[in-house]
Amino acid sequence: AQSVTQLDSHVSVSEGTPVLLRCNYSSSYSPSLFWYVQHPNKGLQLLLKYTSAATLVKGINGFEAEFKKSETSFHLTKPSAHMSDAAEYFCVVSDDDYKLSFGAGTTVTVRA
Amino acid sequence: GAGVSQSPSNKVTEKGKDVELRCDPISGHTALYWYRQSLGQGLEFLIYFQGNSAPDKSGLPSDRFSAERTGGSVSTLTIQRTQQEDSAVYLCASSGADGYEQFFGPGTRLTVL
Repeated sequence: AQSVTQLDSHVSVSEGTPVLLRCNYSSSYSPSLFWYVQHPNKGLQLLLKYTSAATLVKGINGFEAEFKKSETSFHLTKPSAHMSDAAEYFCVVSDDDYKLSFGAGTTVTVRA
Repeated sequence: GAGVSQSPSNKVTEKGKDVELRCDPISGHTALYWYRQSLGQGLEFLIYFQGNSAPDKSGLPSDRFSAERTGGSVSTLTIQRTQQEDSAVYLCASSGADGYEQFFGPGTRLTVL
C-alpha cells in the first residue's frame, strides 16, 4: 500500500525567504514521488518527479526536492519565495506510475 | 495546444438524480484518469483507462459510480442516485504513452442538495 503524510497543513513565509514543505511516504515498492501545485481556481500542475535517476530533483519555478530513502522523506524546498508561490502543494506517491496517492496538501501563504 | 477540458465546470443537482461529467483528454494521450477532490477525503483516485485495456476501477467508491471511454478519447463519469456525500470536485487527467506526467483538467464542481 502507498500513502503520503504532509507534515504541515499550512506554511507561511515572507517573500524572499526559503520555503520548506515536508513530506513522508509509505510504499511497498520503489515508488515514484511527485510534487504538484494547485493555484486558486486553476488545475493541478506537476512541479517535479522522482523516478530513482537522482535523489535531488529539480523542478519548475526554482523548486527542488530530495529523496531520502532512509528517512522515507521527499521534502520540497525553494531558496527564495515569491508572491506567486502562494498556492496549495500536494506530495504524491505512486507504486505503479498511474494510480496516484495524494497527501492532504500544504497551503502556502507568502507575506510581502 | 489545448489541455484537458471538462464539462460542465459546475453542476448542482438534487439528491437522487443521476449526473454525467465529461472529460476531453489531450489529443493523442492514451491514458485517462478520474480523481475526486473533497473536503473530507482529499484527492482520491477513482478510475484509470489505458488504451483498449480493461479499466482499473478499484477507486470507485460504490456501484453508483461508473465511467466509460468512447473511441479511446472522451470519457464520461456517471453517478447514479446522487447523495450529498458525492459533492466534490471531480478531476480528470490524461497522459501520453510513457505516463510520465498526468495533465489535469480544471475539474467539475458537483454540489448535491
